[in-house]
Amino acid sequence: GDSVTQMEGPVTLSEEAFLTINCTYTATGYPSLFWYVQYPGEGLQLLLKATKADDKGSNKGFEATYRKETTSFHLEKGSVQVSDSAVYFCALLTGTASKLTFGTGTRLQVTL
Amino acid sequence: NAGVTQTPKFQVLKTGQSMTLQCAQDMNHEYMSWYRQDPGMGLRLIHYSVGAGITDQGEVPNGYNVSRSTTEDFPLRLLSAAPSQTSVYFCASSYSVLNTEAFFGQGTRLTVV
Repeated sequence: GDSVTQMEGPVTLSEEAFLTINCTYTATGYPSLFWYVQYPGEGLQLLLKATKADDKGSNKGFEATYRKETTSFHLEKGSVQVSDSAVYFCALLTGTASKLTFGTGTRLQVTL
Repeated sequence: NAGVTQTPKFQVLKTGQSMTLQCAQDMNHEYMSWYRQDPGMGLRLIHYSVGAGITDQGEVPNGYNVSRSTTEDFPLRLLSAAPSQTSVYFCASSYSVLNTEAFFGQGTRLTVV
């Protein structure tokens, strides 16, 4: 079945540091890939997405590239801010399954 | 825009009690779903609906019922609460299931004692 593997957290960084959160997936067919973010006390919200191989999703300084050859969709940001502290979820969606499949989430803590 | 509204935000139940978690969306979305979020396990799909009158099971449906009588509402019923159902529950909606953004409610934190 479909699955998503994310790096274990928490990830603790100083402000302005470079961020990478790894995400790899297993899926039948050709999935769409997503990063969702959950700020404290809130629901998830879409951060970025990519629907086909080599697409790059970007939003709020975050980027992720759909790599079919390595089945990966790593999240990156060049300079994190305290306000980026949240839990980040990688997810996939295939046409054959009527659901999003989520990874376990990675908590990011950014300090001054 | 209200988006996806869940009620209540917090709830404590005793084992064996029943209750309904409410979910409403005002975006005329066809697809709605319920997830539970547990530490170390991410979000797991409980039930989903592709339109009014149509529901189906997700990966962890046992102990939960749903119905979809209108496009707007998708309540989740716990029939006889168990401590294993202690979790945070999220309702989500999207225009369709394929390749579109899912909008989430703020969640319901449920504790079963």
